[in-house]
This record gives sequence, structure tokens and C-alpha cells, in this order.
Amino acid sequence: AQTVTQSQPEMSVQEAETVTLSCTYDTSESDYYLFWYKQPPSRQMILVIRQEAYKQQNATENRFSVNFQKAAKSFSLKISDSQLGDAAMYFCARRTGNQFYFGTGTSLTVIP
Amino acid sequence: GAVVSQHPSWVICKSGTSVKIECRSLDFQATTMFWYRQFPKQSLMLMATSNEGSKATYEQGVEKDKFLINHASLTLSTLTVTSAHPEDSSFYICSAKIAGPRRTEAFFGQGTRLTVV
Repeated sequence: AQTVTQSQPEMSVQEAETVTLSCTYDTSESDYYLFWYKQPPSRQMILVIRQEAYKQQNATENRFSVNFQKAAKSFSLKISDSQLGDAAMYFCARRTGNQFYFGTGTSLTVIP
Repeated sequence: GAVVSQHPSWVICKSGTSVKIECRSLDFQATTMFWYRQFPKQSLMLMATSNEGSKATYEQGVEKDKFLINHASLTLSTLTVTSAHPEDSSFYICSAKIAGPRRTEAFFGQGTRLTVV
């Protein structure tokens, strides 16, 4: 099965605090890419961060970082210093070849 | 860079009519474009993958004759919902992948909210 699982339908975080969103996936491929996309209320999908499976180093983009555990097929997103603008749906995705597989999403609420 | 423009952003049509949605890559060539459908508070459901100059590949359960996809150029793909019915009301999103092995992510249009009355 080529599934992507996000076990947290909803999460909340206090402004300025740190939150971690979980994602696991299933694949038999060795060459693939992982992504976190953000979908704010405007519904425009925005790329947050990406990780190549062949790279051991965890990707970081400013306040966003990932914990990529290839053996465990885990790809969590950490948001540091959370801001009100981070409130959105977050989708974990995996790409193999031309195929993208999306998780069911985590709705993040940021509490002022 | 890497902007995908989807038009229209929203459309209301009468039952039985057809609606065309356009997806354009504005500053890059997209050999592959994807069409998704998204229900409220749910994930993206892939409908079809279209490659420039060839027939689209539809996912299981998606009616080819109802959702016509044309990818006539490297910058434009269209989705036509034919003989629309209220159950076709949904949010439709396109995405495009930049040609070339070094670019890994897909870029998304802003989506089209279709309401069939």
C-alpha cells in the first residue's frame, strides 16, 4: 500500500510555542521525496518543506524543521515559535516517480 | 517563480451544463499536471494525471467521459466537467510538476469552487 498517515486530525499550540505534527508512510520504494504542504483558509496549497529520502540530514526552513526517520518511515514536522499565521491544514505528502500521495491532514490552531 | 494559476476561482452553473476549469503554469513548463478534488475538511483526492500531448490517466472510479482533461501545451491543462450535477459540487485543485529531474515538488493552483444548482 502506498499510504500516508497523519494520526492527528487536530492540534493546537500556544503562540510562540513549539508543536510537532506526525506523519508516517508506507512504501517499498527506496527513492522518494517527502513534503509538508500548508493549506490556509484561502485553500491555496503552499509548500512548507521537502526532504529527499536519500538525504540523512533533516531539512529545515526557518522555523520549520522535520524529523525524518527512514527506517521507521516517519516524517514529522516541527514548527517553532508558532505564529498566528501558521494556523492552517497541514498535509504530509510523498512522491514516488510522478505520483503524489497525501495524508488526511492535520488542522492546526494557534492560540493567541 | 513556479506560479500556477487556476481559473476561475469559483463558478456556479446550472445542472446539466458543462464547466471548464483552466490550469496554467505561468513561469515554467509543466510536463505533468494533476487534478484533485477536495471535499470539506478532507484530503486531496487525485482524479487524474495529465501529460502534455497524451491522454490523461484517470484514477479508479473517476469517470473519463464526465471529467474531460486536455493538456494541449506545456503550460495549460483544462478540466471540463460535463453535464454537471449537484453531486459534482466540490473544490477542484490542479497542480503542476516542473519538468526535469532536479525539481521534486508540485506547485498548486488556488483552486476552483464549483457549485452546481
